[in-house]
Amino acid sequence: AQSVTQLGSHVSVSEGALVLLRCNYSSSVPPYLFWYVQYPNQGLQLLLKYTSAATLVKGINGFEAEFKKSETSFHLTKPSAHMSDAAEYFCAVSLPYGNNRLAFGKGNQVVVIP
Amino acid sequence: GAGVSQSPSNKVTEKGKDVELRCDPISGHTALYWYRQRLGQGLEFLIYFQGNSAPDKSGLPSDRFSAERTGESVSTLTIQRTQQEDSAVYLCASRSLTSGGQETQYFGPGTRLLVL
Repeated sequence: AQSVTQLGSHVSVSEGALVLLRCNYSSSVPPYLFWYVQYPNQGLQLLLKYTSAATLVKGINGFEAEFKKSETSFHLTKPSAHMSDAAEYFCAVSLPYGNNRLAFGKGNQVVVIP
Repeated sequence: GAGVSQSPSNKVTEKGKDVELRCDPISGHTALYWYRQRLGQGLEFLIYFQGNSAPDKSGLPSDRFSAERTGESVSTLTIQRTQQEDSAVYLCASRSLTSGGQETQYFGPGTRLLVL
């Protein structure tokens, strides 16, 4: 079964600094990979996804992620953090067949320090 | 257009009572998922519906959990004889279905269930 590891439940970043959230996956076949963001009292919103096209994926709000098969990673980055980036971020993986159900990591709570 | 909606947004119940949670998917989305998010945990898959096919119930944690969906419309998740460990946010997601499974799952705001 596929799985995702996100380390560090809480991540603090200074406003204007690089945001880096790490995601490593395990899958028996090349998977689809996703990053979702959850703002307080809201549902999950898709930031970006990798579905076997370009390995560098650009998403909304200036975020991007790179699929690295050799490292089984899909780390999320943003060059300059904004206060509005404070939220919880989830990495997820699905198989490219079957019911495409998502397997999620435990999430990173991002705090942006002014 | 309207997104995925869920009701109620919050539910407080007493241990042993039954609860019913509702999900209205995006119109035209044939696939529907239920997930559970317990405090400090990622989301756990519960059940998947696709059109009139038999649902994939492999994620349901016990036989106290059940779900129904009529065609491609509303789904209800029922938890019987609730236990305190059932306290969580229950999220519903829907997506359109084409070959390859690349379509995004769109999530509702969730129902926060607290079992006292």
